[in-house]
Amino acid sequence: SQKIEQNSEALNIQEGKTATLTCNYTNYSPAYLQWYRQDPGRGPVFLLLIRENEKEKRKERLKVTFDTTLKQSLFHITASQPADSATYLCALGLPGTYKYIFGTGTRLKVLA
Amino acid sequence: NAGVTQTPKFRVLKTGQSMTLLCAQDMNHEYMYWYRQDPGMGLRLIHYSVGEGTTAKGEVPDGYNVSRLKKQNFLLGLESAAPSQTSVYFCASKRDNEQYFGPGTRLTVT
Repeated sequence: SQKIEQNSEALNIQEGKTATLTCNYTNYSPAYLQWYRQDPGRGPVFLLLIRENEKEKRKERLKVTFDTTLKQSLFHITASQPADSATYLCALGLPGTYKYIFGTGTRLKVLA
Repeated sequence: NAGVTQTPKFRVLKTGQSMTLLCAQDMNHEYMYWYRQDPGMGLRLIHYSVGEGTTAKGEVPDGYNVSRLKKQNFLLGLESAAPSQTSVYFCASKRDNEQYFGPGTRLTVT
């Protein structure tokens, strides 16, 4: 069955550093991958989408890479700020369907 | 523009009781989804709809029913609640490949 893995352990980094989060998937080849941010007690908020033919996507301080050979996406936040502290989820659209599967998320804490 | 709203925000049920969760969106989106989120499990798809009058099963549909009588509303029903349905429920609507989530409903079944 399809599976997405994100580092379940929390990631603590110092303010100003670059945070790097990992999303690995198995068993199929998605056309695209999404990243969402979720704050405690709130619903996820869409951040970025990267397609299989794109190696890298940027949006302000965010950068996402997509390696279809390694079946991995990396999510980077440069010049991190305490306000970036949240849980970050990756999601894949199942090919040929309108359905999505989500990873369990990685909790990021940026220390001032 | 309220986006996606969910009613109620919190609810406590006794085992065997029934209830309906309401999701409404004002963005004219065709696709709508119901997920549940449990610790360590991530978001899991319960049911979804690709348009008014249509519904389909997701990953964990057992114990739930849905209806999409109007494009803007997607209802999730629990006919006979069980403690295993204690969770946070999120509704989402979709435009292109971007999902917009509601604030969630925290349901406890005792």
